[in-house]
Amino acid sequence: NAGVTQTPKFRILKIGQSMTLQCAQDMNHNYMYWYRQDPGMGLKLIYYSVGAGITDKGEVPNGYNVSRSTTEDFPLRLELAAPSQTSVYFCASSNLQGGNSPLHFGNGTRLTVT
Amino acid sequence: GENVEQHPSTLSVQEGDSAVIKCTYSDSASNYFPWYKQELGKRPQLIIDIRSNVGEKKDQRIAVTLNKTAKHFSLHITETQPEDSAVYFCAASIPGNTDKLIFGTGTRLQVFP
Repeated sequence: NAGVTQTPKFRILKIGQSMTLQCAQDMNHNYMYWYRQDPGMGLKLIYYSVGAGITDKGEVPNGYNVSRSTTEDFPLRLELAAPSQTSVYFCASSNLQGGNSPLHFGNGTRLTVT
Repeated sequence: GENVEQHPSTLSVQEGDSAVIKCTYSDSASNYFPWYKQELGKRPQLIIDIRSNVGEKKDQRIAVTLNKTAKHFSLHITETQPEDSAVYFCAASIPGNTDKLIFGTGTRLQVFP
């Protein structure tokens, strides 16, 4: 099993550009999450999904969108990139509800918006 | 709103000494408390977790204690080694329609040989 796979690993965007961060998991987990990690800070939940076709907002959803058309994939979309979105983005999945089971993280995507 | 506070933000210890990191949470209904270790440039990885029906849990050199009355939990690392150097995050579940995890801001642990 590859676990949780994120692409790309690094990306530089200009202000106003858009991009999609890809996330895929091969563990048949129902629950998937997107977090962002700013320097010296903890992980903030952006969006999460409890299964295909179901998504919901986390703590910091503004400026982002997600979709969950399959169990395996959970892409994160940035429509109009802003410098405040410079961060490291982690996708994660879990077998049970995320509050009661371990999260399996991907290796992260380091995004810089200039 | 829900909040998890973590202290200290940095911790330096000599190899072989013990390290303790403390977290407090705000929602008394929280029932799951994991700890994650993140090495430089790597992803967070679970090292130990505890549920609200247990007061203490050990796994070799690491242990976690939970005080539900005071709403705080702690990570204890004994006989520290240089490879323990990393950032450690605590988290607490926020019960609701779909449980979510709220993370602390992290503790950077440095173990000097």
